[in-house]
Amino acid sequence: NAGVTQTPKFQVLKTGQSMTLQCAQDMNHEYMSWYRQDPGMGLRLIHYSVGAGITDQGEVPNGYNVSRSTTEDFPLRLLSAAPSQTSVYFCASSYSRVRTGGQPQHFGDGTRLSIL
Amino acid sequence: AQSVTQLDSHVSVSEGTPVLLRCNYSSSYSPSLFWYVQHPNKGLQLLLKYTSAATLVKGINGFEAEFKKSETSFHLTKPSAHMSDAAEYFCVVRLPPSSGSARQLTFGSGTQLTVLP
Repeated sequence: NAGVTQTPKFQVLKTGQSMTLQCAQDMNHEYMSWYRQDPGMGLRLIHYSVGAGITDQGEVPNGYNVSRSTTEDFPLRLLSAAPSQTSVYFCASSYSRVRTGGQPQHFGDGTRLSIL
Repeated sequence: AQSVTQLDSHVSVSEGTPVLLRCNYSSSYSPSLFWYVQHPNKGLQLLLKYTSAATLVKGINGFEAEFKKSETSFHLTKPSAHMSDAAEYFCVVRLPPSSGSARQLTFGSGTQLTVLP
């Protein structure tokens, strides 16, 4: 089925480890983004991309890197995991904001990450 | 700058009674507004959206919301709650392309809806 696919669904890391959260979409969406969800704080934007080769920082970018080598994939890298990065991470995609104005984003099912 | 305030972090209703989830926003532009629902261990699903057309917006599963510019509100309602409506609901603001804003969406902090039998 078409949509946004995130892997893994669950992950436990030790402090200082690095890892990559994968996100792929098959809808040919230009815009992709990563959010983290923490209790009582809604979703906060980490990084986003408006197209292949273009990325930018969101609200809470520290400790995370992204790249966008293809339209389909938008991986999120944790460089050196910290307990404060324990969260649920959501990837989302949509058509270009400029072109479609009020189009909503499509979300993956999330990656639940625990840092010990 | 824009912001979204969901006035209640938790709402509890009995099955069959009306649901009201409140959302206020602030924005220098005419935004698009969305309500998303998140069931446990799932991603977010779009319930409905307002994009400067009709101010009363109907969504899926019997939900609707009314955009009131004078009150800067976008409250979500449903006439009769079902057990399956128990979930977390997010109000979301999206700036128009003319804003030039780098960020696409601003999320409220969420309202947890409990439906009692």
